[in-house]
Amino acid sequence: GAGVSQSPRYKVTKRGQDVALRCDPISGHVSLYWYRQALGQGPEFLTYFNYEAQQDKSGLPNDRFSAERPEGSISTLTIQRTEQRDSAMYRCASSLVGPNNSPLHFGNGTRLTVT
Amino acid sequence: DQQVKQNSPSLSVQEGRISILNCDYTNSMFDYFLWYKKYPAEGPTFLISISSIKDKNEDGRFTVFLNKSAKHLSLHIVPSQPGDSAVYFCAASLGGSEKLVFGKGTKLTVNP
Repeated sequence: GAGVSQSPRYKVTKRGQDVALRCDPISGHVSLYWYRQALGQGPEFLTYFNYEAQQDKSGLPNDRFSAERPEGSISTLTIQRTEQRDSAMYRCASSLVGPNNSPLHFGNGTRLTVT
Repeated sequence: DQQVKQNSPSLSVQEGRISILNCDYTNSMFDYFLWYKKYPAEGPTFLISISSIKDKNEDGRFTVFLNKSAKHLSLHIVPSQPGDSAVYFCAASLGGSEKLVFGKGTKLTVNP
């Protein structure tokens, strides 16, 4: 079966532009997570959803970052007015119930470069 | 301030020998711990987990040990195989929290 799918795989954008990163989770997975991973670091939590409800957005760095999952399936992470410090690998993950009861399945990520 | 620390950026072992990857944490409230493995150009994949009520969990060649008093866990791979070469991330979560806190990872190389 298909795993977690993220698009685009690579995104290069100019400073000040908005970007939208898409995540298509494994079918039937209730929970969806966004993480950000800088080079040489582990993934860092941004936000997560149960179905369409955003349960925790404490990891979003500032109000330029937002995420939605309107129908409880596909999710979009939007970064407005991008800055060079936003450059990183953005990873989406999904799980059947939640990380303590079922493991996270990560996608291959979107590598964002802000020039 | 890193709550989950993997102090060895890399580790090299011979095929057939034991690989031991270490992880320390600072938050005593963490009660669930996981190891993820990551190959280049792929996302991390779940390997093994352990709850704080246990001190050992085994799955085939992989065993995770938890020492709560030392706030330390380790992953043992026996015997190591070249296909085990990857970056290994330690992660932890607080009870009831969906948020995982990851370490920086340790790159394991298993030489044939």
